[in-house]
Amino acid sequence: GNSVTQMEGPVTLSEEAFLTINCTYTATGYPSLFWYVQYPGEGLQLLLKATKADDKGSNKGFEATYRKETTSFHLEKGSVQVSDSAVYFCALTLQTGANNLFFGTGTRLTVIP
Amino acid sequence: NAGVTQTPKFRILKIGQSMTLQCTQDMNHNYMYWYRQDPGMGLKLIYYSVGAGITDKGEVPNGYNVSRSTTEDFPLRLELAAPSQTSVYFCASSQGGIQETQYFGPGTRLLVL
Repeated sequence: GNSVTQMEGPVTLSEEAFLTINCTYTATGYPSLFWYVQYPGEGLQLLLKATKADDKGSNKGFEATYRKETTSFHLEKGSVQVSDSAVYFCALTLQTGANNLFFGTGTRLTVIP
Repeated sequence: NAGVTQTPKFRILKIGQSMTLQCTQDMNHNYMYWYRQDPGMGLKLIYYSVGAGITDKGEVPNGYNVSRSTTEDFPLRLELAAPSQTSVYFCASSQGGIQETQYFGPGTRLLVL
């Protein structure tokens, strides 16, 4: 089937530390991959996406590369800020016949000054 | 633009009661979605709509009903509340299909006792 596995949290980092949140997937077809972020008290919002192998999505200093060979889409940021504290969700949908967006369980990130 | 709004923010229901979760978007999006998020789990799609008058089941539709009489509104109805429906419910919308960026509301927390 189709599913997404994220590294379990919570993750606590000091400001300016390097962030990696792991995400791997299984898909019955060719997927598009997404990272959504949920700030406290708000709805989810798209952070970045990639639609084909080796594509790199990037936004707000975050990056993720679509790795077909390892079925992964790990999220990285070189220097986190307190304002990055949020819950991060990895998700996939199929590019043909898609009628569902499959989410991971979410990873809570807390950045301390 | 308000984006996607949801009401209520929080509700406690007794087993067997019914209620409607409201969702409105002001972006003139064709596609709208309802998800539920159980503790420690990813979001799961309940129902979706590709336009006014058209709805379809998602991954977990049992116990819910929806309607889409206008582009803006997509209410979710629980007819006979059960403890298994305790969850956080998110409404979302997108201009295109499920491949496109989804815009989420802030969620409704529902507790069924």
